[in-house]
Amino acid sequence: SQTIHQWPATLVQPVGSPLSLECTVEGTSNPNLYWYRQAAGRGLQLLFYSVGIGQISSEVPQNLSASRPQDRQFILSSKKLLLSDSGFYLCAFGRRGGTDTQYFGPGTRLTVL
Amino acid sequence: AQSVTQLDSQVPVFEEAPVELRCNYSSSVSVYLFWYVQYPNQGLQLLLKYLSGSTLVESINGFEAEFNKSQTSFHLRKPSVHISDTAEYFCAVSYTNAGKSTFGDGTTLTVKP
Repeated sequence: SQTIHQWPATLVQPVGSPLSLECTVEGTSNPNLYWYRQAAGRGLQLLFYSVGIGQISSEVPQNLSASRPQDRQFILSSKKLLLSDSGFYLCAFGRRGGTDTQYFGPGTRLTVL
Repeated sequence: AQSVTQLDSQVPVFEEAPVELRCNYSSSVSVYLFWYVQYPNQGLQLLLKYLSGSTLVESINGFEAEFNKSQTSFHLRKPSVHISDTAEYFCAVSYTNAGKSTFGDGTTLTVKP
C-alpha cells in the first residue's frame, strides 16, 4: 500500500536559523510530489511541485527552496527562516500526471520565534 | 488561470440538520473535481471526486456532490450531519496536463449539539 511520511511533526526554530523538512513516499513509483503551506485561516498554498528527480517548479517567490534527490524523497529547505515562514507544512503525492487524487502526509507544524 | 472559490468560510449547523458547502471553479473544457476533509492537526484526506461519468458522486459517510458544468459548480451536501463531521473542507480542481490541483480557501464546518 502507498504511504507518505513527514518529519518532524513539530518544530520550533529561531529567526535566521536553517530549515530542512523531509518527505518520503512508499508503495508507488514516479509520483508527482508537492509541498503546501497552510497559514492560520488562509487556506492551502502550493509552494513547490516536482514531476521527477531534480525537477522542481516554484509556485510563489519566497524564502524557501525544494529538492528531490531521489524518486520518492522531497525536501523543503531554507537558509534563514523568517517569522512569516511559520505555518503547517504539508507534503503530498499524486499519480496520473498530477490530475487525480493527492495523498497528504500528516504535516509539520513550524513555529519561528 | 485555474481558480476555485469556496463561497463560505465558516458554516455552523446543528446536529442532524442538512448542510451544503458551496464550490465554484473557473471554466475549462475538461476538469476533475475533488472534495477533501481535514481534521485538526492532520493532513487532508480525499472525501469524494468527480473524474467522468455520473455527475453525482457519493462518499462512504453520506456526503454527496454534484458536478454542474453549466454553473461551474461542485457543491457538497449531506442530508443529516453528525458532530464528527466537524472539520475543514477543501474543494479542489485539476485540469488536463496541468500536473497539479488548485485548492479553495476551505470551509470550516462546525456541527453543534
